[in-house]
Amino acid sequence: KAGVTQTPRYLIKTRGQQVTLSCSPISGHRSVSWYQQTPGQGLQFLFEYFSETQRNKGNFPGRFSGRQFSNSRSEMNVSTLELGDSALYLCASSRTLAGGTRVPNEQFFGPGTRLTVL
Amino acid sequence: AQSVTQLGSHVSVSEGALVLLRCNYSSSVPPYLFWYVQYPNQGLQLLLKYTSAATLVKGINGFEAEFKKSETSFHLTKPSAHMSDAAEYFCAVSAGNQFYFGTGTSLTVIP
Repeated sequence: KAGVTQTPRYLIKTRGQQVTLSCSPISGHRSVSWYQQTPGQGLQFLFEYFSETQRNKGNFPGRFSGRQFSNSRSEMNVSTLELGDSALYLCASSRTLAGGTRVPNEQFFGPGTRLTVL
Repeated sequence: AQSVTQLGSHVSVSEGALVLLRCNYSSSVPPYLFWYVQYPNQGLQLLLKYTSAATLVKGINGFEAEFKKSETSFHLTKPSAHMSDAAEYFCAVSAGNQFYFGTGTSLTVIP
């Protein structure tokens, strides 16, 4: 099975721009979570999508948004970029049980997208 | 509420020495616990997981961790460090539909 893929791997943007990152989960995985990783803050949870619906959200401003498509692929968007948004953005996918409960012992990560804001 | 504390943001060991990375958790429900490793410019790779079966969990690359409920700990160990073990290590707890990560421990292996 192919792993979680994220595109692009690297991005350079300037302040005020917006950016869209893409994540393709492992085939059959319907839950997709996004994390922001920075040296000072570690891994911070952004949001989780399941069945095209956001069902968990971390403590980030509204500039950060996402969506999930019917094939479980997910995108996250950051508008009006700030210098502090420079980070590694990680996507993780999980299998879910009937009813949507994520199998708790499985979360597989992609290689991340390195975003640099100048 | 769930949280994870990793004691020591940087740990250095000599090649061949014991590796001990500490993780303490708090959880209001029986937790699932994980250790992940991250190499430079890569995503997180699962090392091992505890899911309420055996308390001593063996993972990949010779790592193991022991779940101690009384101490709310899940420390990661490896008897003999290799140069290839140099990386960032994250402890995580899963409760409900969310993962909570520690802030990470950077492991340096000195030749």
